[in-house]
Amino acid sequence: KAGVTQTPRYLIKTRGQQVTLSCSPISGHRSVSWYQQTPGQGLQFLFEYFSETQRNKGNFPGRFSGRQFSNSRSEMNVSTLELGDSALYLCASSLAPIGYEQYFGPGTRLTVT
Amino acid sequence: AQRVTQPEKLLSVFKGAPVELKCNYSYSGSPELFWYVQYSRQRLQLLLRHISRESIKGFTADLNKGETSFHLKKPFAQEEDSAMYYCALTGSGAGSYQLTFGKGTKLSVIP
Repeated sequence: KAGVTQTPRYLIKTRGQQVTLSCSPISGHRSVSWYQQTPGQGLQFLFEYFSETQRNKGNFPGRFSGRQFSNSRSEMNVSTLELGDSALYLCASSLAPIGYEQYFGPGTRLTVT
Repeated sequence: AQRVTQPEKLLSVFKGAPVELKCNYSYSGSPELFWYVQYSRQRLQLLLRHISRESIKGFTADLNKGETSFHLKKPFAQEEDSAMYYCALTGSGAGSYQLTFGKGTKLSVIP
C-alpha cells in the first residue's frame, strides 16, 4: 500500500509569510503526528491528531497550528514565519495511538529567507 | 517532562565488531521505548520497540528501568548497519500522545 505522502516537498518563504503543509496518511491510519527536524534541536514533536481531534501539542508557539480532516489527511500551518522556522517538517501516521509503529513521510523542507 | 538522551553523536566501529548505541531516558511513569533508524536517502522507520522484545536485523534492546536505559546492541556490525539511529519514548497512559526523540547517533561501520 502507498506510504505517507507530504506536499510540497520543498518550499521557500519569506519572513512574515504563512505556510500550509499537507500530509496524507497511509490508508486506514487514523493518527497523524507532526515533527520539526533541525540540525540543532533534532526531532521535536509538534502535535498529534486522532479522528480529527488534537490530543497533544509540543512546546511550540501558537503560530504553529494544525488540523485533521475526516479522511485523516492533515495540514499544519505556520503563520508569521521566522528564520528559525527553517526546518524539515515530518509527518507520521499510525493505526491507533502513538504507542503503535509510526510510518514517516519524506518530509517537507521549508526554507525561510 | 519526558526526555531522551543519546550521548554519542557519532559512533564508528569496524565490520564484525560489536555495536552498542546508548540511550537514557527520563520519565516519571511507565515508558514505551523505541528505536527508529534512518538509512541514507530513506525515510525514518521503526527498528524495534521494547514491548515486542524482538530481534530485528540482529539488533536487540533491553529496557533497564533501574538505570533508565534502553541501549541498542548488535554482536557483529555489518556495513549495511551504517545509518542514523534515534531512540524515542512515549508514555503509556491517556494524554501521553507524544513521541519524544533523542538527538540521534550516527553509526558508521568501517569495512
